[in-house]
Amino acid sequence: DVVMTQTPVSLSVSLGGQVSISCRSSQSLVHNNGNTYLSWYLQKPGQSPQLLIYKVSNRFSGISDRFSGSGSGTDFTLKISRVEPDDLGVYYCGQGTQYPWTFGGGTKLELK
Amino acid sequence: EVKLVESGGGLVLPGASLKLSCIVSGFTFSDYWMRWVRQAPGKGLEFIGEIKPDGSKTNYAPSMKGRFTISRDNAKNTLYLQMSSVRSEDTATYYCARPLGDSGPFDYWGQGVMVTVSS
Repeated sequence: DVVMTQTPVSLSVSLGGQVSISCRSSQSLVHNNGNTYLSWYLQKPGQSPQLLIYKVSNRFSGISDRFSGSGSGTDFTLKISRVEPDDLGVYYCGQGTQYPWTFGGGTKLELK
Repeated sequence: EVKLVESGGGLVLPGASLKLSCIVSGFTFSDYWMRWVRQAPGKGLEFIGEIKPDGSKTNYAPSMKGRFTISRDNAKNTLYLQMSSVRSEDTATYYCARPLGDSGPFDYWGQGVMVTVSS
């Protein structure tokens, strides 16, 4: 299975600030069809995960442009700008290039 | 509005069987692959498997093969997860989820159902 490693494990941010979360995969996530199936999710406290970003940099419907994804190959980054209280929770990256789907261990975003 | 609602969880003895259900609404269920994911307490997300729209094909994560069976009833808009010979390490919240496109990421999730395996 592809191993997804997220850093840092936790992150403190001030409201209005900017943060970056890193996700590294044990193998390239470039599919034979040329797509890279790397997605990002946010799990708010007590809730199920919600999709933020798919195929590296595409924002899902209704997701603020404060969230942006980038990267290629094995290294990916999620940036959150102008952090709001509703952004707090645990962020996961996930890959679907190689079966089975696997996820990173999560990055907890907390208020400073 | 897309909704997925899981049920059937609870406390179960080691070695027993349990069947979870996920009733969906707000989209044409029979058009979509559907998936199950679980999350042990305080841990990350673990993919279990998925089923084709017509129910003719299932795929499982290798670590899940053998004790988990995914099925569906399109007439009832319901997805199922049959769990057998459960172990303490199966204690988790189980989520059903819909993919974005046939092989895309998980765009809608249920609220989850807790399964606790303990004697």
